[in-house]
Amino acid sequence: DVKVTQSSRYLVKRTGEKVFLECVQDMDHENMFWYRQDPGLGLRLIYFSYDVKMKEKGDIPEGYSVSREKKERFSLILESASTNQTSMYLCASSSAFSGNTIYFGEGSWLTVV
Amino acid sequence: EDKVVQSPLSLVVHEGDTVTLNCSYEVTNFRSLLWYKQEKKAPTFLFMLTSSGIEKKSGRLSSILDKKELSSILNITATQTGDSAIYLCAVYSNYQLIWGAGTKLIIKP
Repeated sequence: DVKVTQSSRYLVKRTGEKVFLECVQDMDHENMFWYRQDPGLGLRLIYFSYDVKMKEKGDIPEGYSVSREKKERFSLILESASTNQTSMYLCASSSAFSGNTIYFGEGSWLTVV
Repeated sequence: EDKVVQSPLSLVVHEGDTVTLNCSYEVTNFRSLLWYKQEKKAPTFLFMLTSSGIEKKSGRLSSILDKKELSSILNITATQTGDSAIYLCAVYSNYQLIWGAGTKLIIKP
């Protein structure tokens, strides 16, 4: 079974703090994604990566950056957290060799106060 | 602009009922359509559909794609309270995954 692990399930941060959300997958998938999910807005893609050190902006990259130094790890960084970044963040991975089915982590609930 | 629209946005039914959830899409280069179930945590994969008219089935859940109508339906028969969840539809187009907003399904005992 594919396992996508997000290191932090629940975080509370102050406005202006730097926030790191870590994600690790164990299936050697080449593609990794960060989404945020808000009620009524569905899943919105922040960034994705199709290879180590490669990254592409998604639909809502403003206020975020990412890092992919190793194939299994994809980090989302909020340089200066703001209250409108309070959300659930979902990491996911996929591979063309497994039909591009996306597998999600458990989600990280971030509250910025 | 590519888009995926799910309907209804929410649905409340009684245990034992049958429900049909809809997903319609307008995309430039359709490759596949996926259904996911999301309870209180991350979405879990249900089905991937690529060919029109072929039903995919898993227990009480089934789904079918209609490429002519640019849509898919997800059927759940003999619903149970454990089916309460958000059901998400997504379409691969040009190697990008476009998500619908989801249908929130509530099953009352």
